[in-house]
Amino acid sequence: DAGITQSPRYKITETGRQVTLMCHQTWSHSYMFWYRQDLGHGLRLIYYSAAADITDKGEVPDGYVVSRSKTENFPLTLESATRSQTSVYFCASSEMGGIHNQPQHFGDGTRLSIL
Amino acid sequence: AQSVSQHNHHVILSEAASLELGCNYSYGGTVNLFWYVQYPGQHLQLLLKYFSGDPLVKGIKGFEAEFIKSKFSFNLRKPSVQWSDTAEYFCAVNALLNTGFQKLVFGTGTRLLVSP
Repeated sequence: DAGITQSPRYKITETGRQVTLMCHQTWSHSYMFWYRQDLGHGLRLIYYSAAADITDKGEVPDGYVVSRSKTENFPLTLESATRSQTSVYFCASSEMGGIHNQPQHFGDGTRLSIL
Repeated sequence: AQSVSQHNHHVILSEAASLELGCNYSYGGTVNLFWYVQYPGQHLQLLLKYFSGDPLVKGIKGFEAEFIKSKFSFNLRKPSVQWSDTAEYFCAVNALLNTGFQKLVFGTGTRLLVSP
């Protein structure tokens, strides 16, 4: 099915572990995004990517690493997980960026708990 | 810094009641404004958007929003809510990163509960 697929949907891990959240989109959208959703903060942008091999920091990038070797995939890695990274993570994509930022399409989210 | 304020964190209404959710933004440039909805257990979906032109924007499922530039507001309205409108609603505004990229800044969301 077309759209954005995130995996896993749920993940529990321990502090200090490395964990990778996967995101795959089938539209060939240029732009992809990672957000975290926390109570009292809404959605905050972690990283975004304008195209394959082009990534850049958002509002809250510390502790996260991304890569985009292929247009359709945009994995997010927590290199050494901390409890403050317990959150719901959403991947999104859009066809365009820039001043005509098109509405973004969101995945179903990954609920990550770090013990 | 650009920001979005949604002052109503929780709203409880009965079916057929009218809805208005507040959204105020701070951004000095040209604004693009959005309302997204997140139904329980689902991803965010676009309800409506304002880029330019008529400040009264109509979206899906009977929702509308009015852009009032002088008040920096983009309130969401629906004349008569249904139980199926129970969801969390997010207002968002575009904002310019120093990389030249326009990103979305989201409000903290309003949880709407509609009782049958």
